[in-house]
Amino acid sequence: AQTVTQSQPEMSVQEAETVTLSCTYDTSESDYYLFWYKQPPSRQMILVIRQEAYKQQNATENRFSVNFQKAAKSFSLKISDSQLGDAAMYFCAYRIVGAGSYQLTFGKGTKLSVIP
Amino acid sequence: GAVVSQHPSWVICKSGTSVKIECRSLDFQATTMFWYRQFPKQSLMLMATSNEGSKATYEQGVEKDKFLINHASLTLSTLTVTSAHPEDSSFYICSAQDRAETQYFGPGTRLLVL
Repeated sequence: AQTVTQSQPEMSVQEAETVTLSCTYDTSESDYYLFWYKQPPSRQMILVIRQEAYKQQNATENRFSVNFQKAAKSFSLKISDSQLGDAAMYFCAYRIVGAGSYQLTFGKGTKLSVIP
Repeated sequence: GAVVSQHPSWVICKSGTSVKIECRSLDFQATTMFWYRQFPKQSLMLMATSNEGSKATYEQGVEKDKFLINHASLTLSTLTVTSAHPEDSSFYICSAQDRAETQYFGPGTRLLVL
């Protein structure tokens, strides 16, 4: 069974600084997707970034980037120039590649606070 | 793009009544939708997977007769909580999966059963 581990229940960052959220996963599959979702106080889950395991290049979306280390099964999220609106729960998630109803496996989340 | 709506956002009902929650993909077709439940300060717990035109697949421990799911079209899935009780009070979230196999989430429904 696949598992996703987020070892940092809470983190904080100063506004405008950079923070990295950790995520490790366990799988025997060779092809899969990894995601970071953000859940602000409104509780709306928002897709932050997506990585396909077969791609060696790390995904980036504006101030958000990942460090994907396939051999180490590590998928960390780096937030640059942190803003107050980045304060939220961040969930790392994994999914097997393939058409159909493969479910997401979520980590337990990391609560990020941004200090003005 | 990739917007998912959920209605209602808030519902309060009496014990014993049924509540229907709608999940719609607004700008894409979704053959697969998912229903989650989230307890305070916890991650999402998958309840069931809904495929258009077929029966939903329920996770272990989820009562299919209590949580009725219908996926009648490529843009709409509904979750009906039948004979709701206070222990069913929770935050329910749906998601819709696009062709790129990415799930996009609705804004959630807060259910309070009195």
